[in-house]
Amino acid sequence: DTAVSQTPKYLVTQMGNDKSIKCEQNLGHDTMYWYKQDSKKFLKIMFSYNNKELIINETVPNRFSPKSPDKAHLNLHINSLELGDSAVYFCASSQFAVGGTGGIKETQYFGPGTRLLVL
Amino acid sequence: GENVEQHPSTLSVQEGDSAVIKCTYSDSASNYFPWYKQELGKGPQLIIDIRSNVGEKKDQRIAVTLNKTAKHFSLHITETQPEDSAVYFCAAIADNYGQNFVFGPGTRLSVLP
Repeated sequence: DTAVSQTPKYLVTQMGNDKSIKCEQNLGHDTMYWYKQDSKKFLKIMFSYNNKELIINETVPNRFSPKSPDKAHLNLHINSLELGDSAVYFCASSQFAVGGTGGIKETQYFGPGTRLLVL
Repeated sequence: GENVEQHPSTLSVQEGDSAVIKCTYSDSASNYFPWYKQELGKGPQLIIDIRSNVGEKKDQRIAVTLNKTAKHFSLHITETQPEDSAVYFCAAIADNYGQNFVFGPGTRLSVLP
């Protein structure tokens, strides 16, 4: 009954490969996110989807492509993996769509993370 | 855009003592400030949050204070226990940025028995 789940938990792969990370939330939330946490523990948002629509796309190489088949799932596909992609990737979700003035900011619930190591 | 700084980067306290972590933010439009705790090998978990219309919030041993004028907010943990040892992140979010949380760089808290 995990609220936000990710698979796989660990991913070790060779440079140049293509890999996907899956995320599912059973909280009924409208919005899902992908974060990257580097070796220094710095958390940085990559993407945000609201009801299957992309609403935040930070400066991320286009080798990273999120896909949301429905609002409970947000998968991250990475093409041509590079050494610098090694990090922990966290999926998160929140209840409300926000934006502009007067929006309500609801907290984000994080998954357990996927530890990606590119060799 | 928003920039969040967090101090100290590491903090060691004796069990039973208090711990204080401070964050500053740059965008005066920021109005929601959550604190997350990340234990080893796990994802960040919300421990407390505060909105800009209040100056202080408390939940048992954890409290957060907010000074909007000075643009800083702090996490206070009293009567620390070894299980409080973790990395703590503050974050700030403003209406203009949608759901875009900007996290501080984290503080590694060690509670020594």
